[in-house]
Formats: sequence, C-alpha cells, structure tokens
Amino acid sequence: DTVLTQSPALAVSPGERVTISCRASESVSTLMHWYQQKPGQQPTLLIYLASNLESGVPARFSGSGSGTDFTLTIDPVEADDTATYYCQQSWNDPPTFGGGTKLELK
Amino acid sequence: QVQLKESGPGLVQPSETLSLTCTVSGFSLTSYSVSWVRQPSGKGPEWMGRMWYDGDTAYNSALKSRLSISRDTSKNQVFLKMNSLQTDDTGTYYCTRDVRGREDYWGQGVMVTVSS
Repeated sequence: DTVLTQSPALAVSPGERVTISCRASESVSTLMHWYQQKPGQQPTLLIYLASNLESGVPARFSGSGSGTDFTLTIDPVEADDTATYYCQQSWNDPPTFGGGTKLELK
Repeated sequence: QVQLKESGPGLVQPSETLSLTCTVSGFSLTSYSVSWVRQPSGKGPEWMGRMWYDGDTAYNSALKSRLSISRDTSKNQVFLKMNSLQTDDTGTYYCTRDVRGREDYWGQGVMVTVSS
C-alpha cells in the first residue's frame, strides 16, 4: 500500500504562514486530497486533486505538489485552524491516508 | 443538503460480526459512490471499501476476507458487515460520499468498541 508520511505536529502563531507536508512512498500523480479534523468531529475536505479548493473553504487554504511531495499551506493562520490535517491519495489501490499533522496555535 | 448518518451497535463482542447502516439524503446512490472509512482513536483514517454508484463493490485487500458492503437504493441505505471482529477493530466508523476518490461528505461517525 502507498504510505503517506506527515510530520506529527506543528505550532504557529496566528497571522503566520504554515506549510504542512505529505510525502508518498510512490507516485500518486496529482490524486492527493487534504482534510481537516477538529476534536470530536468528522474530517472535512479542504483541497482535492492536489490544488483545488473545495467549495466553501476559505481561500487562506491552498495546496500544491505532484508525484510524491505535497504541501498544504494556510496563510494567514487563524485560531479556528487548530485541528489535525490529513492527506489522502486515491491514485493507487487502496486509497490511503497519512497519520496526520496536529496544528496548534501559540 | 447532502447528509450521511451511520447507525449500529456501539459494542461488539470479540469474534462477532459488526453490522452498520449508512442512511443518505440529498443525493442518489445510483449517481454517487459511498465509502466506509474507519479511524482508531488518535490515528489516521483507514479506507475500508466502496459501494460504487453502479452497484459494484471494492474492498481494501487487508479487510476483504471479512468485509461485505451492500445497499438498498429504495431506502437510500448502504450496509457494512464485517465478521471476526478483534480488539484492534475498535474505532469510529464513517460512511462518506466518494467523488472520484475523494470523500467530499462524511457522516458524523459511529464509535464501535470490540470488547467482552
């Protein structure tokens, strides 16, 4: 299965720019998606196909990458962005998720 | 609006069978696929399988021998059955709407504990 590796945690101050990385063990083309999960809630889709903003998601969120290296950028970060962020690939079978990056606000 | 809601028992005995129902509204099961995704506490989600819009199914090979997904389009429901449950099957189980491999809507999830 395709393994997606994410840094476990990040801490930033409100107003700063943050990049969250996701590295795939093999190419996933651009079939990479990003989700936000707040404590006690289900994940919600932020970015699909590497760089497309899901409807209703603030333009502070953006995504980039292709092949094996992807990033989710939040600029500027707001207090409400405290959450765990997951990447997911759907190029290889089965679809797989990363272990998540927990974003904390200083 | 699009909604998905999971239902089923919160506690299952080891070696028993888990049966969950996903009831959807706001879209047709013959136009969109529905996936089942589970998440152990504190860990990343795991894709389990999918009911395609055309009635076909796909399964994670790690679970395929124990897992069955079916549907009743007249009731707007998708079903999950998984047998031989063990303690590491404990977690939150979600049904999702699947659009070309991305899960654009998620149910609220149902917590399943495998314990005697």
